[in-house]
Parts: sequence; structure tokens; C-alpha cells
Amino acid sequence: DVVMTQSPLSLPVTLGQPASISCRSSQSLVYSDGITYLNWFRQRPGQSPRRLIYKASNRDSGVPDRFSGSGSGNDFTLNISRVEAEDVGVYYCMQATRWPRTFGQGTKVEIK
Amino acid sequence: EVQLVESGGGLVQPGGSLRLSCAASGFIFSIYAMTWVRQAPGRGLEWVSTISDSGSNTNYADSVKGRFTISRDNSKDTLYLQMNSLRAEDMAVYYCTRGTSGMDVWGKGATVTVSS
Repeated sequence: DVVMTQSPLSLPVTLGQPASISCRSSQSLVYSDGITYLNWFRQRPGQSPRRLIYKASNRDSGVPDRFSGSGSGNDFTLNISRVEAEDVGVYYCMQATRWPRTFGQGTKVEIK
Repeated sequence: EVQLVESGGGLVQPGGSLRLSCAASGFIFSIYAMTWVRQAPGRGLEWVSTISDSGSNTNYADSVKGRFTISRDNSKDTLYLQMNSLRAEDMAVYYCTRGTSGMDVWGKGATVTVSS
């Protein structure tokens, strides 16, 4: 199975400051079609997950442009350029290149 | 509005069975693969199973293989998860989500409690 390792697991941030979450996979996430199937989700307390980024760097409709995804191969990053109060929650990366689909452990973002 | 609504959760004894349903609306259900993801209390997300758009192909996590069966009825725009031989470790919120690689739409979840 592809192991997804996120860091840090807890991220206290100051409002208006940037934040960055790392996600590393134990195998390359480049599929045979050349596409990297790496998603980022956020789960706010008491809510269902919401996809923010797909195919490593594509932002979903309605997601603020302060969110960006980058990376390739085995190494990926979710960046928030200026954290706002509504950004608190747990962020997960997930690979959909190989079976079984696997998620990272989650990174809890909270405001200092 | 694109929507997924799970139902069928509840309390079941260890070894018992439960069937979850997921009603889809607002999109052409029959052209999308569908997936179940679960979240145990206080834990992270775990992929459970995926079914292709036609229903002809299925994939399962090792933890549920042989006990859970995913299926769909495209005439009713509904996804199912039949869960047999339930264990304490199956206790979780079960989410229905659209797609196999995208998972761009999620339901609110159905809670499954396994306890005697």
C-alpha cells in the first residue's frame, strides 16, 4: 500500500500568516496516463470533508486563491498564503493513483 | 444542487449486519464511480470501497474484504454498502463520495455503532 505521511500533525498559526503542510508518499503518484492523482481535503469540526485541491495543484471551484497545491512524484505541499479564522480544521492528503486509496494522518490547523 | 444523502446507520451488535444507502441527486449518477470512506471516532479518514459507474468493477480495503459488499442501482440513483459480520473496529461515520480519483462531493455521513 502507498503510505502517505503528513507533517506537521499539528499546526498552530497566526491569523494573516502563511501556513504549509507537507505530504510525502512511499511511492510515486504519477499514474500511467501521466497525471498525479493527489487530492487535499479539509474537514472542519463536525462537518464532512471538502476537497480543496485535485491532481496535486488544481484548486476546486469556490476555494479561495490563498490555497495552493504543489509538488510532484512523491513530495507534495499545501500552502495557505494568509490564514483566516475559517481555515481551521484538519487537512488530509489522499492518493488516488494506486489501490487501495490511502489518506495521510491529517494535520490539525488551529489559530494561535 | 449536487447532493449525496446517506441513510441506514444505527446500532448493531458485533457479528450483525447493516445496509447503508446513499441517494444521489443533482447530477448524472450513472456516469460516475462512487466510493465509501469511513472515519472512526476521533480518527482519520479511511477508504473502504469503490464501485465503477456501471457497477461491474469493485475494490475493497483489506479490512472489509469478504464482509462488505458495495453495489449500486443506477435506475434509482442510489449507492449501497452491505456490511456483514460487523466488528467493533467497524464503528465509524460512513461517507458516500462521488468518484474514484476525485471524490469531489461528499455526503454528511451515516453513523454506525457496533456494540453489545
